[in-house]
Amino acid sequence: QVQLQESGPGLVKPSETLSLTCTVSGGSISSGSFYWGWIRQPAGEGLEWIGRIYTSGSTNYNPSLRSRVTISVDTSKNQFSLKLSSATAADTAVYYCAREDYSSSVMDPWGQGTLVTVSS
Amino acid sequence: QSALTQPASVSGSPGQSITISCTGTSSDIGSYNFVSWYQQHPGKAPKLMIYDVSNRPSGVSNRFSGSKSGNTASLTISGLQAEDEADYYCSSHTSSSTWVFGGGTKLTVL
Repeated sequence: QVQLQESGPGLVKPSETLSLTCTVSGGSISSGSFYWGWIRQPAGEGLEWIGRIYTSGSTNYNPSLRSRVTISVDTSKNQFSLKLSSATAADTAVYYCAREDYSSSVMDPWGQGTLVTVSS
Repeated sequence: QSALTQPASVSGSPGQSITISCTGTSSDIGSYNFVSWYQQHPGKAPKLMIYDVSNRPSGVSNRFSGSKSGNTASLTISGLQAEDEADYYCSSHTSSSTWVFGGGTKLTVL
C-alpha cells in the first residue's frame, strides 16, 4: 500500500524559498500512470491545488502560483519536491502531497500534511 | 482559476439526507467528468469519497453518492450519521490541465 510523507522546515523567513519533500513508500514513484502533486491549506481555510509532476518530468502549476513554484522528482530516492520562492505570510499553511491518477479524478493517497509557517 | 462555489454550511439530523452543491463553469465541471469529493475531519488529511462524478472508492459507504448536471456537481449523503460531520470539498479538472477545489462545506449533524 502506497504511503506518502511530507518533510521539510516548519519555519521559513519571508522572501526566502519554501522547500518540501514528499517521500513515497510501498511502491515505486516510477511505476504506473500517476502524477505526484502538492496541495496546501491555510488554517481555517479551504484547499488550494499547487501543482503536479509526472515521472517524465512534465509539470502543471496553478496559474496563481506558477511564477514562484517548481516541482521536481527524484526517482532514485522515490521522492518529489516543492519549491516556492519569495515566500510571504500568505504562504503559511499545511502542505499536503498526494498521488493523482493519470486518467481519472482520483487524488489518493494523501500525506498527513506538514505545517509551514512563514515568519521572521 | 476561480474556486468552485460550495455552500459554507449545511446541516441535517441523523437518518436524514443532505445534498451539497458545487458550481463551476464550462471550463471545469461543465466540460469534464473529472469531479471528486473529499471529506476532511479536523486535523486530518482529506479523504477521497467520490471520484469521476459518481464513483465510490473501495471502502466508502454507499450512503455517499455523486452526480452532475451542467456546471454543477452534487454530493448526497443519505442516512446521516454523527461520524459524517466534517468539511467536504469538491474538485474538478480544468481546461488548463490543472485542478480547482471548492471553498468547502461544513456539515453539521444535529
